[in-house]
Amino acid sequence: EVQLVESGGGLVQPGESLKLSCAASGFSFSDSAIHWVRQASGKGLEWIGRIRSKFNNYATTYAASVEDRFTISRDDSKNTAYLQMNSLKTEDTAMYYCARNDGDGYSKVDYWGQGTLATVSS
Amino acid sequence: DIQMTQSPSSLSASVGDKVTITCRASQSISSYLNWYQQKPGKAPNLLIYSAFNLQSGVPSRFSGSGSGTDFTLTISSLQPEDFATYYCQQSHSTPLTFGGGTKVEIK
Repeated sequence: EVQLVESGGGLVQPGESLKLSCAASGFSFSDSAIHWVRQASGKGLEWIGRIRSKFNNYATTYAASVEDRFTISRDDSKNTAYLQMNSLKTEDTAMYYCARNDGDGYSKVDYWGQGTLATVSS
Repeated sequence: DIQMTQSPSSLSASVGDKVTITCRASQSISSYLNWYQQKPGKAPNLLIYSAFNLQSGVPSRFSGSGSGTDFTLTISSLQPEDFATYYCQQSHSTPLTFGGGTKVEIK
């Protein structure tokens, strides 16, 4: 069974940092791209970025709204992906989901974690 | 960036009704279009990928059609468990973008 479990969310002040984790199981993690998507309360879905596999040099792509502040990484030995969020703003408050891509591209984001909530507030 | 526009933003329907949701892309995306269902407090669930392919385990009352810029999600006979919010998402190019969502409510 494919599972993705996010952790690391919490309450931080504006300007602070937070690192989210996404622990995966039930599939070949090292062969799959991993996406991060967020959703503010009562709002729609916003794609944050993606990291590809070692075969594609762990290439990352980000949304313009976060690309100078957020970094996606992965540790295939731990079947875990990460989202490092720096210089957080109140508008970054959201539920953060990691999701698997079926393969190493971005055409089919098929399994999602349950999400972890990041709250940025003074 | 490719903009995705869904309509309607909400609708009310009864169990057994046929429901149609549309999604329009700001430029041609071929068949790179996915549909998700999201229930309150839950993660999105993939229903349809590449415009018309039914994801494994998804009931056959869900279907997708379209190509280019105009797409449709159809629920042939609405069931109680289908009341949720539905999102389209283009997978033609990054940044991946989602439609604003369609909330399907009970009439």
